[in-house]
Amino acid sequence: AQTVTQSQPEMSVQEAETVTLSCTYDTSESDYYLFWYKQPPSRQMILVIRQEAYKQQNATENRFSVNFQKAAKSFSLKISDSQLGDAAMYFCAYSNAGGTSYGKLTFGQGTILTVHP
Amino acid sequence: SQTIHQWPATLVQPVGSPLSLECTVEGTSNPNLYWYRQAAGRGLQLLFYSVGIGQISSEVPQNLSASRPQDRQFILSSKKLLLSDSGFYLCATRGTKNYGYTFGSGTRLTVV
Repeated sequence: AQTVTQSQPEMSVQEAETVTLSCTYDTSESDYYLFWYKQPPSRQMILVIRQEAYKQQNATENRFSVNFQKAAKSFSLKISDSQLGDAAMYFCAYSNAGGTSYGKLTFGQGTILTVHP
Repeated sequence: SQTIHQWPATLVQPVGSPLSLECTVEGTSNPNLYWYRQAAGRGLQLLFYSVGIGQISSEVPQNLSASRPQDRQFILSSKKLLLSDSGFYLCATRGTKNYGYTFGSGTRLTVV
């Protein structure tokens, strides 16, 4: 079974600074997807960024980027120019690409990000 | 694009009472559907998933059950709620290219 580990229960950053959230995962599969989701106080799950395992290039979405290290099974999220609206719980998630996985997502335990003005 | 409607938003139920949470999906057909639970504001745990009408797979044995009576309708139920059933329940669907996971707005269930 796949597991996802987020070793930082809480992180904080000053507004306009950069912060990196860590995530490691365990799988025996070679083709899979990785995601970062943001959950603000409203508890709505918002997709931040996704990475396909077969792509070596790290995904980027505006101020959000990932450092995907497939061999190390590491998938960290970097938030640049942090804004107050970035404050939320962040979840790392994994999904097998194969059909028999039925697209099930496995989540880490989350990291609470606080942004200080 | 896909949209998920989930209700109710908040529910307070006594121990031993029944439960029915409903989720409907728009903008797609024959979607994979999922029920997740989030306890104590931490990680999400997959409870059930469905790949078609009447097809339900359970990930965690517990006091809950799920049904899919229609293609885009997914229901989470319990005959008798336990205190441990309290939590935040989320319905989700997966996009055709595996990046379009869409979540409902969730139901906060408190069993008292």
